[in-house]
Amino acid sequence: AQTVTQSQPEMSVQEAETVTLSCTYDTSESNYYLFWYKQPPSRQMILVIRQEAYKQQNATENRFSVNFQKAAKSFSLKISDSQLGDTAMYFCAFMKHAGKSTFGDGTTLTVKP
Amino acid sequence: SAVISQKPSRDICQRGTSLTIQCQVDSQVTMMFWYRQQPGQSLTLIATANQGSEATYESGFVIDKFPISRPNLTFSTLTVSNMSPEDSSIYLCSVDGGTNTGELFFGEGSRLTVL
Repeated sequence: AQTVTQSQPEMSVQEAETVTLSCTYDTSESNYYLFWYKQPPSRQMILVIRQEAYKQQNATENRFSVNFQKAAKSFSLKISDSQLGDTAMYFCAFMKHAGKSTFGDGTTLTVKP
Repeated sequence: SAVISQKPSRDICQRGTSLTIQCQVDSQVTMMFWYRQQPGQSLTLIATANQGSEATYESGFVIDKFPISRPNLTFSTLTVSNMSPEDSSIYLCSVDGGTNTGELFFGEGSRLTVL
């Protein structure tokens, strides 16, 4: 079974600064997907960024980028130019089969003005 | 994308009772998923709701406790039966994005408190 570990229960960052959230996972699979989801205080979860394991290039979505290290089974999320609206809980997730995602315990990120 | 509506958004229930949560999607989807998010914890997949067949349950979850219906491609229900305080959680309905991206879309969740 796959496991996903987020070692930072809570993080904080000043507005406009950069923050990196850590995620490691354990799997014997070679093809899979990795995701970062954001859950704002209103609770609805939304996708931030995704990465296919077969792609060496790190995914980027505007201010969000990942550092995907397949051999090390590491998948960190970097948020640049942090904004107050980035305050949320962030979940790292692993998916091999459609819909069956394994989530980490989450990191609560607070962006301070 | 998919827009998912869940009802109820929250409820307070008595021990021993059952509650049914509804999930409505604005488009037809093959698979719908039910997740549980216990207070301050991560999401755990309960089951996959398949249209036209029985739901597929993950380890640790059983049909008698969490019966699921999937009458059509846009709707599903999850019942939490014979509730105890340990069932106090947020229950989330989710669907696959359908674009082979693996992205999941989530409802806002149903927060249940069992007294």
